[in-house]
Amino acid sequence: GQQLNQSPQSMFIQEGEDVSMNCTSSSIFNTWLWYKQDPGEGPVLLIALYKAGELTSNGRLTAQFGITRKDSFLNISASIPSDVGIYFCAGPPSNFGNEKLTFGTGTRLTIIP
Amino acid sequence: GAVVSQHPSWVICKSGTSVKIECRSLDFQATTMFWYRQFPKQSLMLMATSNEGSKATYEQGVEKDKFLINHASLTLSTLTVTSAHPEDSSFYICSARRDVGAVQYFGPGTRLTVL
Repeated sequence: GQQLNQSPQSMFIQEGEDVSMNCTSSSIFNTWLWYKQDPGEGPVLLIALYKAGELTSNGRLTAQFGITRKDSFLNISASIPSDVGIYFCAGPPSNFGNEKLTFGTGTRLTIIP
Repeated sequence: GAVVSQHPSWVICKSGTSVKIECRSLDFQATTMFWYRQFPKQSLMLMATSNEGSKATYEQGVEKDKFLINHASLTLSTLTVTSAHPEDSSFYICSARRDVGAVQYFGPGTRLTVL
């Protein structure tokens, strides 16, 4: 089955630092989604990417759809305490009509005081 | 933005009892809803896909007789965990989308603890 690996698994940073994380797949994806999950909550959509090479921003967040269609990157600039949480990449595999999402393994972001 | 709610937000039950979890799309009609399960420190795993008015499609390894799904309307899907056991304790999350290819919006999740 599909598998999405995220790196790093966890990050410990200081407030104000920039953050970079990535997601790689063993197969091609047509859409990449980035979600954030706070403890005890459901995932919230941050950014959606629909085209290879696409670079999209949402405030301090920037995500890119890799040219190979097998990876995606998420950057957070000038981190703040509310950025703490788990970030998941997700996407439907490229099979035509496939609507199911596969979720990545997650990157846990912690901000050190 | 799209809003999806779940009820209850948490539930504790005795082993052998059944628990029903509701998922509602509050400001849009959802042709499809999805049910996920998330164990501590793990990612979300899809359990089943629920289309309004038809039988749910279950993922491999998910028992359809144990996890009963009903999608009676375009705004409501329910998941019933029958004869719950401690190993069913998990965080259950639903999502909903308007149309094929549309983005999925997630509910806040329901934490089930089976004693």
